[in-house]
Parts: sequence; C-alpha cells; structure tokens
Amino acid sequence: ETGVTQSPTHLIKTRGQQVTLRCSSQSGHNTVSWYQQALGQGPQFIFQYYREEENGRGNFPPRFSGLQFPNYSSELNVNALELDDSALYLCASSSDRGDEQYFGPGTRLTVT
Amino acid sequence: GIQVEQSPPDLILQEGANSTLRCNFSDSVNNLQWFHQNPWGQLINLFYIPSGTKQNGRLSATTVATERYSLLYISSSQTTDSGVYFCAVGPSTDSWGKLQFGAGTQVVVTP
Repeated sequence: ETGVTQSPTHLIKTRGQQVTLRCSSQSGHNTVSWYQQALGQGPQFIFQYYREEENGRGNFPPRFSGLQFPNYSSELNVNALELDDSALYLCASSSDRGDEQYFGPGTRLTVT
Repeated sequence: GIQVEQSPPDLILQEGANSTLRCNFSDSVNNLQWFHQNPWGQLINLFYIPSGTKQNGRLSATTVATERYSLLYISSSQTTDSGVYFCAVGPSTDSWGKLQFGAGTQVVVTP
C-alpha cells in the first residue's frame, strides 16, 4: 500500500508569484484534504476534494484553489502569493469523507 | 465553529515517566484523531478514536464523546516520543470530514 506523497519538499517563491503543490493520495482513497500549518500552530483546513469536486472549504480566500484528478491525485494552487502564505502545506487522504485521514510529509513554502 | 483545547501546552518528562495529554472539544464529533508530529513536520497517525478506548504498545487513548474530551496516555516514555501531539476533531455538523486541530502539546523527553 503506497502512502500519501507530496511534491516538492521545499519551495521558495517571491511575493506576487503563483505556486502549484502536488499530492498523490494513498491507494484506494478518493478524498483529499489540504491544510496550512503556520509555524508554531496547528494545521488549518483549506478545502477538501471528493471524486474530483470541491466538497468543503475553510476560511481561505479564492486565490487558494485546487483540483482533483481522475486518479484522485490533487493540486493546490495559490495565486498572488503573500508573505503570510509562508507555511507547511499538508495533504491528507481518506477512503471517504469523514473517515480517518492520513497525511503526507508536507511542502514547506517560503515567500520572500 | 467547534473549539478544540489541548492541555498542557508543554510537557517535559524524564525517560521512563508516564504522562496524560488532554483534548477538550466544544461540540459533538464523528471523528477524532491523535497525531504525533515529528521534527520534520510529518503527522503520524496514532489513533482514530471518536469514542471508546484503544491501545497500541505504550500508547493508549480514551474518548468520552458524551463529555466531549479525549485523553492520550504515554507510558514508559522514550526520547523518540518527543515532538508535538495534536488532537483533531471532525464536527458532527459537517458531513464532509473537515478536521479541526487543537494547538498541540509540545512534549520533550530527556534522557
């Protein structure tokens, strides 16, 4: 059974740029959730995708968007990057909505 | 939205000691998970425990859903237990399984 993977591991971007983060869900899982973790805080829910559709969204602006593909992998896109977007971005997959979530290793984004 | 409070915020233990971490939540839940975050940021699943009691080696957890709290027990702590422990809950009012995290408990185990 393959676990959740994320790429890239680290990323440095400049304010105003756009970034795409990628996540491959665990085998057999059809639900992917994205979280943002600022330094010293708990992860905050961004949104969830279920069978290629956005299924719920947290308190994040529209410049945070995502996609889920037929193989249930997912992308997180952030436009017009701000310094406060610097964080660890975590992807989690589950076998269905509401089930146990399994997290990937994260992508650490630094915005300068 | 649902509030999740973890206590204590920090815990320093000597190797071999036992400890209890607490998670209080403000509303009914259909999901509760405990995680250990290692220094590299990886969240490791410890327990999926919306109710009842589970044990895994030196770790065990109990959730009393009717009283809205969960406890994580660490026995005979080892230096590898160091890290941040998070409780995360899925509110019953959400059908789609968003997890709301607490602020975490930072555990340091000294030799």
